[in-house]
Amino acid sequence: DAGVTQSPTHLIKTRGQQVTLRCSPISGHKSVSWYQQVLGQGPQFIFQYYEKEERGRGNFPDRFSARQFPNYSSELNVNALLLGDSALYLCASSLGRTDIANYGYTFGSGTRLTVV
Amino acid sequence: SQKIEQNSEALNIQEGKTATLTCNYTNYSPAYLQWYRQDPGRGPVFLLLIRENEKEKRKERLKVTFDTTLKQSLFHITASQPADSATYLCALYNTDKLIFGTGTRLQVFP
Repeated sequence: DAGVTQSPTHLIKTRGQQVTLRCSPISGHKSVSWYQQVLGQGPQFIFQYYEKEERGRGNFPDRFSARQFPNYSSELNVNALLLGDSALYLCASSLGRTDIANYGYTFGSGTRLTVV
Repeated sequence: SQKIEQNSEALNIQEGKTATLTCNYTNYSPAYLQWYRQDPGRGPVFLLLIRENEKEKRKERLKVTFDTTLKQSLFHITASQPADSATYLCALYNTDKLIFGTGTRLQVFP
């Protein structure tokens, strides 16, 4: 079985641009979460989506948005990029909304975003 | 606010020894605590979960303890190997999300 897949793996953008990151969860998993990991720090929660609805949002500005499609894949959008948005963006999937409590996440390898 | 602290300094140990990593938390009473391994440029990989009513959990060479009075978890790798070299993250479950510590980098040398 394929794990969590993310695309692209690497991306370089200019300040002010917009970016879209994509994630396909493990087959059968209905919950997708997004995390931002700045170098030297732990992952920080951005969004959780379950059954195509936003179920949780972290402390990130409105420039960050996401959505989940009927096939449970997800996109993360970031507008008006800042240098500080440079980070590894991780997608994580789980069976259901609260399964992470008992089974943990399965993470993708992430998208490395560099803003110049 | 909730805070999770892991030793930011790298832990260097010799192959065969036991590595012990510490996770301390404040302003929170988690029902679950998880440990992940992360290799450079990769996503974290789930290792172990321990619940608040469990004192200890084992999986092969890994052992996790959870002391809710001290607000601390210890993560042990026995008979460590160079392949265990990685960053180890602890995480607390809080309402549909995980709150991660900054991680501790472990280096096992031959």
